[in-house]
Amino acid sequence: DVKVTQSSRYLVKRTGEKVFLECVQDMDHENMFWYRQDPGLGLRLIYFSYDVKMKEKGDIPEGYSVSREKKERFSLILESASTNQTSMYLCASSLGWRLGQGGKYSNQPQHFGDGTRLSIL
Amino acid sequence: AQSVAQPEDQVNVAEGNPLTVKCTYSVSGNPYLFWYVQYPNRGLQFLLKYITGDNLVKGSYGFEAEFNKSQTSFHLKKPSALVSDSALYFCAVRDMSNPGSSNTGKLIFGQGTTLQVKP
Repeated sequence: DVKVTQSSRYLVKRTGEKVFLECVQDMDHENMFWYRQDPGLGLRLIYFSYDVKMKEKGDIPEGYSVSREKKERFSLILESASTNQTSMYLCASSLGWRLGQGGKYSNQPQHFGDGTRLSIL
Repeated sequence: AQSVAQPEDQVNVAEGNPLTVKCTYSVSGNPYLFWYVQYPNRGLQFLLKYITGDNLVKGSYGFEAEFNKSQTSFHLKKPSALVSDSALYFCAVRDMSNPGSSNTGKLIFGQGTTLQVKP
């Protein structure tokens, strides 16, 4: 089974602090993702990475940055935490989108960690 | 634009009755569809995915999904609901707006439907 591990289940930080959320996957997946989940807003993609040192902005990248120095680890950084960043943060990973046998693309799902509930006071 | 819609915020079902959670999609080309379930304070768990050519897809925990191309729908179903099925369900579609680009790793999620199964 794929395992995606997020370093903390619950985290409390203060405004202005630099916050690091860590995510590790054990299945050699190329893609990794960071989402935030808020009531009424569903899942929103913050950043994703399709290879080591490669990153792409998602829908709401402002106030966040990411780091992927190793294939198995994807870190989300809140440069200067603010109260509106209080949320549930979810990490996910998946195999790369690749052309397989018969010319059909492989349609692999994303696998999620259990989330980090972050409170900024 | 690629999109997915879950028209119901909440679905209420009695235990033992069949359940349906609705999902409609809008994509260019072939749809790559998924269903996920989320229990309280947990991440999303993969339930099933659409396989091209199969109008009825079977997944985990007795769930299945019915694909209807003409109605652009991919409804989640279960013949007999359990109280333990109560959770938040998400439909998702792969972003095919630029096939072959890094964006095709992305999924577009619906807003989620809360399923409440009462004893």
